[in-house]
Amino acid sequence: DAGVTQSPTHLIKTRGQQVTLRCSPKSGHDTVSWYQQALGQGPQFIFQYYEEEERQRGNFPDRFSGHQFPNYSSELNVNALLLGDSALYLCASSSRDRGDTEAFFGQGTRLTVV
Amino acid sequence: GEDVEQSLFLSVREGDSSVINCTYTDSSSTYLYWYKQEPGAGLQLLTYIFSNMDMKQDQRLTVLLNKKDKHLSLRIADTQTGDSAIYFCAESMSDSGYALNFGKGTSLLVTP
Repeated sequence: DAGVTQSPTHLIKTRGQQVTLRCSPKSGHDTVSWYQQALGQGPQFIFQYYEEEERQRGNFPDRFSGHQFPNYSSELNVNALLLGDSALYLCASSSRDRGDTEAFFGQGTRLTVV
Repeated sequence: GEDVEQSLFLSVREGDSSVINCTYTDSSSTYLYWYKQEPGAGLQLLTYIFSNMDMKQDQRLTVLLNKKDKHLSLRIADTQTGDSAIYFCAESMSDSGYALNFGKGTSLLVTP
């Protein structure tokens, strides 16, 4: 079992550009959540996808959007990048259908906006 | 969400016990979690406790929950240098789904 995998591992973008980050959940998981972790801070919840729909959303602007595919994998899109979007973006997967209580995290994508 | 509070730094000697404390915000949180993050890595789930429990023990880890004071602690027995990392406390923000509200993390340094 590969666990939660994220790609790419590192990314450098310029202000104003758009970025897409990808996540494959752990085998058997159907729910994907995205978090932003700024340097020296705890992860902040962005949103959660289940059955290809956004189910919950944290306090993030509409520039942050996502998608979940039928195979449960997910993408996070950020438009009009700002310097403040530089962070580690973490994906977590869990199983809502099985009522699991554990969320497993990937290694993250380190995004640097210059 | 509102702030989950943790002390920022803890230093212990190898072989001693470490106790990391956390104050959470939501009295209706169903589950409370401890995650470990090593430099440059993602989050590793260490343990979690259901809100109707007072204590949970898992090998070297003991979690204590005081629901009245909204206080959670993680005790690591016989702390090793490999335990040096950042430890995050997190509360579940709802019963359905697994949106988590994290603290800023406690950096644990274990010295020989």
